[in-house]
Amino acid sequence: VQLVESGGGVVQPGGSLGLSCAASGFTFSTYGMHWVRQAPGKGLEWVTFIRNDGSDKNYADSVKGRFTISRDNSKDTLYLQMNSLRAEDTAVYYCAKRSDYSQYELDYWGQGTLVTVAS
Amino acid sequence: QSALTQPRSVSGSPGQSVTISCTGTSSDVGGYNYVSWYQQHPGKAPKLMIYDVNKRPSGVPDRFSGSKSGNTASLTISGLQAEDEADYYCCSYAGSYTWVFGGGTKLTVL
Repeated sequence: VQLVESGGGVVQPGGSLGLSCAASGFTFSTYGMHWVRQAPGKGLEWVTFIRNDGSDKNYADSVKGRFTISRDNSKDTLYLQMNSLRAEDTAVYYCAKRSDYSQYELDYWGQGTLVTVAS
Repeated sequence: QSALTQPRSVSGSPGQSVTISCTGTSSDVGGYNYVSWYQQHPGKAPKLMIYDVNKRPSGVPDRFSGSKSGNTASLTISGLQAEDEADYYCCSYAGSYTWVFGGGTKLTVL
């Protein structure tokens, strides 16, 4: 299993940024996927989840209405579109796979991509 | 969606046992048997250590165990080893395809 995030960078407050997560080593279309973030020196924060077929998704209150999760199962790729970015969105963003165990945990994580919101 | 409450730090000597608590509410920890624990070394991605409150993924040593009582879950690490020094995070399913993490606990092996 390999998850590789990309798209991070520096963006001004109020700006937009799109992240991607390329998946390999498993049947992407059969697994729900998460985005989790970690602000510098801080703890993990769950951001959003999407079901394997994209039929259901949900978001943390802190990003609801600003972030959109999506996926393209034909490309084995997960996306996160982030709009109206704030300084407090600065973090390393990880994509993670819903597990094979009970499906309520995250069994594989990418190495993360850093998003910095600053003027 | 308030973060679960964990102690900021715990410590123990090699060979000893430590327990890390994780307190939530009846809407998350107390409402579901879907508590998981993650180990994170500096600069690394988190690693799943416990799922479904007390189950270990393959490859995780049996020194790691989990439990839950009411709204509080716990991770116990017995026979502490130097490589156990890391940050530990609990996570609970909170319904409607939402999850919540704890604030994290730094484990120091003295």
